[in-house]
Amino acid sequence: QSVLTQPPSASGTPGQRVTISCSGSSSNIGSYDVCWYQQVPGTAPKLLIYKNNQRPSGVPDRFSGSKSGTSASLAVSGLRSEDEADYYCAAWDDSLSGRVFGGGTKLTVL
Amino acid sequence: EVQLVESGGGLVQPGGSLRLSCAASGFTFSDYYMDWVRQAPGKGLDWVGRIRNKAKSYTTDYAASVKGRFTISRDDSKNSLYLQMNSLETEDTAVYYCTRDRTADNWGQGTLVTVSS
Repeated sequence: QSVLTQPPSASGTPGQRVTISCSGSSSNIGSYDVCWYQQVPGTAPKLLIYKNNQRPSGVPDRFSGSKSGTSASLAVSGLRSEDEADYYCAAWDDSLSGRVFGGGTKLTVL
Repeated sequence: EVQLVESGGGLVQPGGSLRLSCAASGFTFSDYYMDWVRQAPGKGLDWVGRIRNKAKSYTTDYAASVKGRFTISRDDSKNSLYLQMNSLETEDTAVYYCTRDRTADNWGQGTLVTVSS
């Protein structure tokens, strides 16, 4: 059971907007910045969002992040077939003195 | 271009030891915190531990599941990160990734560790 809670799956049709939630607590998301990662099966994860809502260079602006209290969310707009992947949230946790990941959300483009 | 290349994975018996390496290039390795993250087959990402830079006295943190068994070290003169794994358990079977910085902004390709008799 992961410290950060994500829905196991999400889906949408091409062009749609999909959001993925990440729920935590005061010791992690409530106190620290959230990152989001995209992992296409068979490849290493890739940083998608850092500091809650910042995109590294090269990440399309179709991807956006937000944080409120002890929850965060990732939004993917203008859904494309290549967005089909697993998505993970992560944050530092004070109580555990370590980094924690969500269980991952499998995004399917119908 | 930032590159992280892990090596040292393989098949090991329960109770055995293994040392993973991560060769870094394309950035000033000594400036950065470095993490190890693992992924068991078909499972999600699992943080293993962190080593900070010289400015933070190379302090380390570990996940509870590996504390006392795994040790992270680094050699800034060789731009290399290490993970010494002792008393390995079948549950340690995973692809092990090294990652750069607190945001894990770069990942290696991973190295597979299989713990099995």
